[in-house]
Order: sequence, then structure tokens, then C-alpha cells
Amino acid sequence: DQQVKQNSPSLSVQEGRISILNCDYTNSMFDYFLWYKKYPAEGPTFLISISSIKDKNEDGRFTVFLNKSAKHLSLHIVPSQPGDSAVYFCAASRGHKLVFGAGTILRVKS
Amino acid sequence: DAGVIQSPRHEVTEMGQEVTLRCKPISGHDYLFWYRQTMMRGLELLIYFNNNVPIDDSGMPEDRFSAKMPNASFSTLKIQPSEPRDSAVYFCASSLWDRTDTQYFGPGTRLTVL
Repeated sequence: DQQVKQNSPSLSVQEGRISILNCDYTNSMFDYFLWYKKYPAEGPTFLISISSIKDKNEDGRFTVFLNKSAKHLSLHIVPSQPGDSAVYFCAASRGHKLVFGAGTILRVKS
Repeated sequence: DAGVIQSPRHEVTEMGQEVTLRCKPISGHDYLFWYRQTMMRGLELLIYFNNNVPIDDSGMPEDRFSAKMPNASFSTLKIQPSEPRDSAVYFCASSLWDRTDTQYFGPGTRLTVL
């Protein structure tokens, strides 16, 4: 029972262009949505979050959009940089528990 | 602060052996989480503690898995006996009581059971 799904295992983008990572969820009771970034041999690190009462949150080059009716969120990275190459995990929370997606590998080519 | 510390970073053991993974959370954090990452199941929550008390262990796969938190600065995840299908990366994370959505992860322990 995958409550959080990232259907794209990988994404390749040219440096300077926009990266769009997508995530779908099934449980309408989730109240917070987050993106974590993970480099090899390191633990995931928090990137950005959005409350279920909002539809957009922006932090520098990173913007997260939430479409509650579609149960869909996306992460936009503009402009993409080679250092953004990593695995990106979408996560959703209810209470104190996080449910993670399987992750999307982003490769930014220079 | 040094962040969440996990040891060992790598563990190779034989089937049937006992394995103990260790975690030191960030000082002052009230919540501690144990996760397992595999190719098949991604990153899944095993158990979490609040103020050293286990709150939810519904993610622990079998009775072979157990976790303890004897004090605010130390937790262990034990597998006894270990099996090859337990091979995975195990992460520990901690957070403040009012921001459990923002969790700080350790570097993980890569466990290989032969």
C-alpha cells in the first residue's frame, strides 16, 4: 500500500533549465508535505515543505506546489545546478510520522 | 552540533548472527526515528520514540527486530537472528517535538547479511 508515489525513477536536466519532480499521494488526511534531498553515502536532508492549507511555498530556487484536489505535489528547481544532482524524496506527514516516496534521481548536466 | 551520529557505518555479518545498530540523536531533540531503505520498499519507518518511550512500532517487520532508547542520547536497533533479506541501509533521525516533519537524519548504517 504505497500512500506516496514518485512515478519517475530518474530525471535528467540541462544546467540552467527547470527541474520538475512530481509526487502523488492517496491519503487525504496528510497535513504536511515535504521534499528531502539525499546525496550518496549521506542521510536525507530536509529541503522544503508545504502545509496542506497552502498551494505554494517558495525558498530561493526551490518551489513546491500542492494540488489537493488532484492529490499531487511537485518540486520546481530553477535554475538547476550540477550540485542539485541527488535523489529527491517526497514525503507526507500525519501526526509525527513521515511516509516517503521511493525517490527520484535527478541528474543535472553541465 | 555534530548532528545525528550512527555506528557502525558498515556492517557485514553472517546469517543467524545478532546485529546491533547504534544512534546518538541531536541533543535536545525529543523524537527519534528508525528507518530502513531498500530498493524494493524505499525508505520506510520502523519505529519512533518520544522522550525515550516507544510510541509506534508498527513498521517493525518481525519479532527479530527490537529497538530501545535507554536515555535521551542513545538508541539501539537490534536484529536477532539476522537474515539476508535484512540487508539494507538503516537510518536514524531525530526532531524537535513541534517539528517532527523536519527530521535530521544520520548518515546511515549499511548492513549486509551473508
